[in-house]
Amino acid sequence: SQTIHQWPATLVQPVGSPLSLECTVEGTSNPNLYWYRQAAGRGLQLLFYSVGIGQISSEVPQNLSASRPQDRQFILSSKKLLLSDSGFYLCAWSVWGVEQYFGPGTRLTVT
Amino acid sequence: AQTVTQSQPEMSVQEAETVTLSCTYDTSENNYYLFWYKQPPSRQMILVIRQEAYKQQNATENRFSVNFQKAAKSFSLKISDSQLGDTAMYFCAFMKYNNNDMRFGAGTRLTVKP
Repeated sequence: SQTIHQWPATLVQPVGSPLSLECTVEGTSNPNLYWYRQAAGRGLQLLFYSVGIGQISSEVPQNLSASRPQDRQFILSSKKLLLSDSGFYLCAWSVWGVEQYFGPGTRLTVT
Repeated sequence: AQTVTQSQPEMSVQEAETVTLSCTYDTSENNYYLFWYKQPPSRQMILVIRQEAYKQQNATENRFSVNFQKAAKSFSLKISDSQLGDTAMYFCAFMKYNNNDMRFGAGTRLTVKP
């Protein structure tokens, strides 16, 4: 069966510090991968998606970037965090691009 | 652009009763998918049910069923025999066919009371 992992689960970082959130998927090959952000009490906003290694599409201009160095690994990064980057970050995968399955998420607090 | 609207920020229901969550969407597309996701306090997003727009038959998954009205662009979720474990945020989502951009509504917080 397929599983998706995200780490860390929680993170507290000062403004201006770098960020690296990691997502890995097991049990499937060549998945589509997604990064979402969920602000408090809100729905999900798609940040990036990837249909293959090195292929990244950005949905929202922002302070973040994404990379896919391996087939089942998706990384969300920032060089300098802003207060507005605080939120809950969810990674998801899909096959055939239909329903998406989500990881447990990372709660990021920028102080 | 596609938008998804959930007009009920919060709802509550007694255990064992039935509740319906509303969702409307706006699109000019003819082929698309609609989803309901559940986010319990653990914050893990869980797929509840999926509907393809070309199917007239409403999707059903155990106690969960939808009322899909394509012309009205309405996609409501009915939960029968509500259980305490159904307490969660419920998100309606839309995705165009052959597209990776899933659009979510703002969510409805459902509380099941004992």
